[in-house]
Amino acid sequence: DGGITQSPKYLFRKEGQNVTLSCEQNLNHDAMYWYRQDPGQGLRLIYYSQIVNDFQKGDIAEGYSVSREKKESFPLTVTSAQKNPTAFYLCASSIRRGQGYTFGSGTRLTVV
Amino acid sequence: ELKVEQNPLFLSMQEGKNYTIYCNYSTTSDRLYWYRQDPGKSLESLFVLLSNGAVKQEGRLMASLDTKARLSTLHITAAVHDLSATYFCAVDPNYGGATNKLIFGTGTLLAVQP
Repeated sequence: DGGITQSPKYLFRKEGQNVTLSCEQNLNHDAMYWYRQDPGQGLRLIYYSQIVNDFQKGDIAEGYSVSREKKESFPLTVTSAQKNPTAFYLCASSIRRGQGYTFGSGTRLTVV
Repeated sequence: ELKVEQNPLFLSMQEGKNYTIYCNYSTTSDRLYWYRQDPGKSLESLFVLLSNGAVKQEGRLMASLDTKARLSTLHITAAVHDLSATYFCAVDPNYGGATNKLIFGTGTLLAVQP
């Protein structure tokens, strides 16, 4: 079955450490997105990519980086520059406008 | 900057009652989406509204879109406990364009009491 897979489900980061969250989709979707969700809050866009080898900053890109080397994959790196990374991270993909998003199951990142 | 506001933010209602969640947005858009999120889970697509006057229904939920008023509503009929979740609306601000970047509302936490 087609879908979008995020891993790991839970991730713990030490102070000053970079960590990478994986997002893989087999839906043949062109566009992929990363959102951050804080407790009791809505979703805020971190980065998005409309096509391979191209990506754009969202509203809260500072302290994060991404790559889009393959259509299926859009990993997110949370760098040490992100001072408050504890949150629920959601990856999504879409085929085109008007179709909405398909979401992954999310990664819960905690700083220890 | 596009703002998407939902109200109420929290809704406690009894089973069997009706209620409406409102989603207001601040700029022109022709596409609006509703999602459901269960605690600790991801988002599940409920409705896609693509034109002024669009109405979609699924079970006890009905969504509508008024692009002139920049308003969408999610109406709950005869609520049941299984509808307890957080509901998000999301707006595509790129009217007529090619990208598909959604801006999400703050969410409405719905708790249906027996």
